[in-house]
Amino acid sequence: EMQLVESGGGLVQPGGSLRLSCAASGFTLRDFVMNWVRQAPGKGLEWVSYISRSSSSIYYADSVKGRFTISRDNAKNSLYLQMNSLRAEDTAVYYCAREIGGWSDPWGQGTLVTVSS
Amino acid sequence: EIVLTQSPATLSLSPGESATLSCRASQSVSSSLAWYQQKPGQAPRLLIYDASNRATGIPARFSGSGSGTDFTLTISSLEPEDFAVYYCQQRSNWPLTFGGGTKVEIK
Repeated sequence: EMQLVESGGGLVQPGGSLRLSCAASGFTLRDFVMNWVRQAPGKGLEWVSYISRSSSSIYYADSVKGRFTISRDNAKNSLYLQMNSLRAEDTAVYYCAREIGGWSDPWGQGTLVTVSS
Repeated sequence: EIVLTQSPATLSLSPGESATLSCRASQSVSSSLAWYQQKPGQAPRLLIYDASNRATGIPARFSGSGSGTDFTLTISSLEPEDFAVYYCQQRSNWPLTFGGGTKVEIK
């Protein structure tokens, strides 16, 4: 069964850093483009970042550009999101999602990041 | 940035009724649009991709239509498990964007 499991979320103070991980199982991560998408409490979905199979193409939402870094370790079947200079508005559930045919499927269960003093 | 506007925000219907959800793009996205379903406490699930293709395992009561700027998700006969929030998403232009969602609730 294909599965994505995020980890690394938690409570962090404004200006702090967190590194999220996404472990893939049931498929080979290197064969797929990956995305991070977030959802603030009670709000809709917001795309955060994209990484191609070989990491040669990377894109970010303007809201996180310069602060977040997406990466992957295909040998470890894992995806990462390094988040620096965190702000209150970064508080959200962060999902990793495999991209197939250009669309996100499946998604992980999400990990909650809370930025608060 | 392409803005996706979903309507209505909330749809109150009874099981067995038909649901029609709309997604309008601020500029043409051709057929590069998908629909996702999200239930409380769960991750989104892909329902429809490329405007009208059902994802693997999605029941035939879900159908998508449209191209350019106007899209529709139709649920032909609502089952109890269909009451959820539905989002559209475009991948025609960066950044990828989602609509604000339509909540389908039990009347």
